[in-house]
Amino acid sequence: DAKTTQPNSMESNEEEPVHLPCNHSTISGTDYIHWYRQLPSQGPEYVIHGLTSNVNNRMASLAIAEDRKSSTLILHRATLRDAAVYYCIPDTSGTYKYIFGTGTRLKVLA
Amino acid sequence: ETGVTQTPRHLVMGMTNKKSLKCEQHLGHNAMYWYKQSAKKPLELMFVYNFKEQTENNSVPSRFSPECPNSSHLFLHLHTLQPEDSALYLCASSLYPPGQGDNEQFFGPGTRLTVL
Repeated sequence: DAKTTQPNSMESNEEEPVHLPCNHSTISGTDYIHWYRQLPSQGPEYVIHGLTSNVNNRMASLAIAEDRKSSTLILHRATLRDAAVYYCIPDTSGTYKYIFGTGTRLKVLA
Repeated sequence: ETGVTQTPRHLVMGMTNKKSLKCEQHLGHNAMYWYKQSAKKPLELMFVYNFKEQTENNSVPSRFSPECPNSSHLFLHLHTLQPEDSALYLCASSLYPPGQGDNEQFFGPGTRLTVL
């Protein structure tokens, strides 16, 4: 199973961009990289996913390194509602499971 | 509202009780999951069902018994639990299981279980 490394916590000021890094050096060539977040007292929610190219959606952007050993989730303008634990999860080819790590707890300061 | 509902939202039970958690999804998905989230620990995958068939059992003790009668419903039957089983139990669904398509999982709000 691909292993991930994320900072335990990060802080950002409101209205500023946030770059959340993730290392997944053991990922295989066909595994998608998924990002989820978990707001307080809620189940996780999908944020974005990608394979090789950078991806954008209404919530965030995902920048994937050319060697695919790392990726960065970009929140373009952090709001207080973005305070959550962010999980980087490589898909695991041939299995049916996600492995959630400890994630990065993002604090957004007003 | 994610389209995945869980009942009850809170449950307190004794170690000798039998109870069931229910999950229902209205998204037309084919894969459903049970996760456990204990305090200060990562989410742990418990079971995966794909088209009603169990495809993953992550070494879960037999006091937890899943049931998937159809693709829209998933149950977790609980029997003689221990206090350390107290946790948030989350259900999720996706169109395909991980590794079989670039799809996302939708999570329910969870059932907060306390075992006395």
